[in-house]
Amino acid sequence: GNSVTQMEGPVTLSEEAFLTINCTYTATGYPSLFWYVQYPGEGLQLLLKATKADDKGSNKGFEATYRKETTSFHLEKGSVQVSDSAVYFCALSDNNAGNMLTFGGGTRLMVKP
Amino acid sequence: GAGVSQSPSNKVTEKGKDVELRCDPISGHTALYWYRQRLGQGLEFLIYFQGNSAPDKSGLPSDRFSAERTGESVSTLTIQRTQQEDSAVYLCASSSQSGTVLGYGYTFGSGTRLTVV
Repeated sequence: GNSVTQMEGPVTLSEEAFLTINCTYTATGYPSLFWYVQYPGEGLQLLLKATKADDKGSNKGFEATYRKETTSFHLEKGSVQVSDSAVYFCALSDNNAGNMLTFGGGTRLMVKP
Repeated sequence: GAGVSQSPSNKVTEKGKDVELRCDPISGHTALYWYRQRLGQGLEFLIYFQGNSAPDKSGLPSDRFSAERTGESVSTLTIQRTQQEDSAVYLCASSSQSGTVLGYGYTFGSGTRLTVV
């Protein structure tokens, strides 16, 4: 079956530090990959996506590249801000599994000023 | 509507009572999902509706949980004889068929926070 594994948190960084949150996946088909973000007290929002190998998704300074050879979709940002503090979820949607979303366990990011 | 609407936003219920949670997806979205998020944990898939196909109920944790969807509109998630371990945020998401195929992702509602006391 499909699965998504992401690094456990919390991840604590100082403002302007470089961020990497690792995400690897297992899928039977050709999945689309997503990062969702959940800010404190809010619902999940789509942060970025990639639909095929070597695609790079980007939004709000965050980037992730779809690496089929390593089955990874690591999230990166060059300089984090306090406002980036949130829980980040990696997810996949597999057209061989009814396009159902499968989520990783989430990684809490805390950015200190 | 403009987004996915869930009601109520908060629900406190006594152990053993039944509860019904409602989700109004975006108009025209054929796919609808229910997830559960326990405090400090990730999202747990519950059930998936896609158009007129039979729903995927593989994530429902027990027979106390059931869900229905009327056509491609409103869905209700019912929990019978609630237990304290049912306390969680219940999230609904919807997507258009073309959206799922093209990898657009899903639009989530704000969730219903259920507390069983």
